[in-house]
Amino acid sequence: DQQVKQNSPSLSVQEGRISILNCDYTNSMFDYFLWYKKYPAEGPTFLISISSIKDKNEDGRFTVFLNKSAKHLSLHIVPSQPGDSAVYFCAAPKGGAGNMLTFGGGTRLMVKP
Amino acid sequence: DTGVSQDPRHKITKRGQNVTFRCDPISEHNRLYWYRQTLGQGPEFLTYFQNEAQLEKSRLLSDRFSAERPKGSFSTLEIQRTEQGDSAMYLCASSLDLFGRDTQYFGPGTRLTVL
Repeated sequence: DQQVKQNSPSLSVQEGRISILNCDYTNSMFDYFLWYKKYPAEGPTFLISISSIKDKNEDGRFTVFLNKSAKHLSLHIVPSQPGDSAVYFCAAPKGGAGNMLTFGGGTRLMVKP
Repeated sequence: DTGVSQDPRHKITKRGQNVTFRCDPISEHNRLYWYRQTLGQGPEFLTYFQNEAQLEKSRLLSDRFSAERPKGSFSTLEIQRTEQGDSAMYLCASSLDLFGRDTQYFGPGTRLTVL
């Protein structure tokens, strides 16, 4: 049972434009979400998070939106830069005593100069 | 703060051999997690430690896998009698427990290839 899904395996965007990466979840108990970026041969790097008490969180060029009724979140990158080219994962912690993360399958973003 | 480190970065072994990986977490972090990532997939949880106690293990962690975190500092993950299906990136992450809002910071991973 894949509780976190990223339905777009890849996305190509022109430099300077907006990148929108989407993530859906099925477990209504999830109340905190994180986005990670991963370059080849490196571990995931934390980008931004959002709690379910908010519907938006912004950090520089990165904004995450949460729609709890739709069980959907999205990551917006504006403006997109070639260095943003990487695989992006959304994740949600199980909660409770342990916070092991459940990850989506990832979206490969390619920003063209 | 030097971040999470893992050693080795790459390991090639023959089927049936034992391998051991090491993870050094961020020094003040009390939680340590192991994940496995295969090509085209997101990382999958294997096990986690709160200080030196191993509190949860995934069903993915067969009896050929064992993890330790002596003294609540570094951790080791051992795979006995490796199989080709064990080939993957093994990721370690650490965090500081913040009442359910801890952010996990990942190391660079150890890529295992079983021939």
